[in-house]
Amino acid sequence: DAGITQSPRHKVTETGTPVTLRCHQTENHRYMYWYRQDPGHGLRLIHYSYGVKDTDKGEVSDGYSVSRSKTEDFLLTLESATSSQTSVYFCAIRDKGMNTEAFFGQGTRLTVV
Amino acid sequence: KQEVTQIPAALSVPEGENLVLNCSFTDSAIYNLQWFRQDPGKGLTSLLLIQSSQREQTSGRLNASLDKSSGRSTLYIAASQPGDSATYLCAVCQGGSEKLVFGKGTKLTVNP
Repeated sequence: DAGITQSPRHKVTETGTPVTLRCHQTENHRYMYWYRQDPGHGLRLIHYSYGVKDTDKGEVSDGYSVSRSKTEDFLLTLESATSSQTSVYFCAIRDKGMNTEAFFGQGTRLTVV
Repeated sequence: KQEVTQIPAALSVPEGENLVLNCSFTDSAIYNLQWFRQDPGKGLTSLLLIQSSQREQTSGRLNASLDKSSGRSTLYIAASQPGDSATYLCAVCQGGSEKLVFGKGTKLTVNP
């Protein structure tokens, strides 16, 4: 299995508080992705990174920010959590190239009350 | 904007049946297409990856095909088993940006 770890695995937080989710990899892969998964919507890309300090927005980036200060870590921050951000969040990693697979973490279940 | 569609959304079959899951995409400028399996409450497990220059890829009882020009891929599962019950997702890797765009998945139930 690819070395990818998400933390925390579960979190309950209050509306209006900041929250940071962490994705850590040991594979030295170039690309890292953050998705949210919701019933009826599937997996939607929030942000992704194509290198240290290189990030770009996905389709549902409003209310989220990311940082990647080193290859192995990709942080997702909810600046001020809202109930609509209650979801399961997945991180994925992938090396550069046309024939490289993406590997996923086990997910973080976030509940905003 | 790339859109990925999976049909059907759900499928129920008796054990032993051969079955086909479908995935279509609107933009053919892709690097590859990947099929995943997701069990309830779990992460995604990679099943097969097909490069844009390939037509098919096989792993055990699974065979995936890709027709990039028509924007279609199929996942063929032979001799289905109850343990194959899961949600199957396809994702395309966009050329250039290397974003991964997912379909909403097909929930498969194989009945003993």
